[in-house]
Amino acid sequence: GQNIDQPTEMTATEGAIVQINCTYQTSGFNGLFWYQQHAGEAPTFLSYNVLDGLEEKGRFSSFLSRSKGYSYLLLKELQMKDSASYLCAAMDSNYQLIWGAGTKLIIKP
Amino acid sequence: GAVVSQHPSRVICKSGTSVKIECRSLDFQATTMFWYRQFPKQSLMLMATSNEGSKATYEQGVEKDKFLINHASLTLSTLTVTSAHPEDSSFYICSARGGADTEAFFGQGTRLTVV
Repeated sequence: GQNIDQPTEMTATEGAIVQINCTYQTSGFNGLFWYQQHAGEAPTFLSYNVLDGLEEKGRFSSFLSRSKGYSYLLLKELQMKDSASYLCAAMDSNYQLIWGAGTKLIIKP
Repeated sequence: GAVVSQHPSRVICKSGTSVKIECRSLDFQATTMFWYRQFPKQSLMLMATSNEGSKATYEQGVEKDKFLINHASLTLSTLTVTSAHPEDSSFYICSARGGADTEAFFGQGTRLTVV
């Protein structure tokens, strides 16, 4: 079956760095997405990886290892506004997104 | 990124009535649109996938006669919740993408409350 695993909740300190991991098992693979979702709002797109390696975009970076079925989202210089849920989603061979349950990130001052 | 507009953002309706939610891609042609439902503190649940000009593909367990989806043009898809019941109260989110391997952009979501 198809499955996405990511931690339920993480806590980090303002100004620090946090890494949110995601492992996936899908029927075929056409890329890995990360979305940010604030409470009561729709998700917003953060990153898309289809090739192995690290993609850096400002304070956020995303890494993918296709052979390991593994990705992580790295957030640097954490700000209070980064408190949100971070959703990992893998695209299968039919170009359908398989969603993780999301990681709730709590930022403390 | 591309803009997807979803309307209304909030709606309260009486049991037994129908509610229509619109999802528009404002600056790109959306060949595929997705409709999701999200319960509090839970992940997105895909309800159906619609391709322009064809019937929507519903996920297992989603009643197609209750959740009517129309994707009449490359910029508009609608979800109609028919004969709404309180258990239909939820956050409904649409997303749209232009190509098969591109990212999907989300609408703002619609919070439906059935009283």
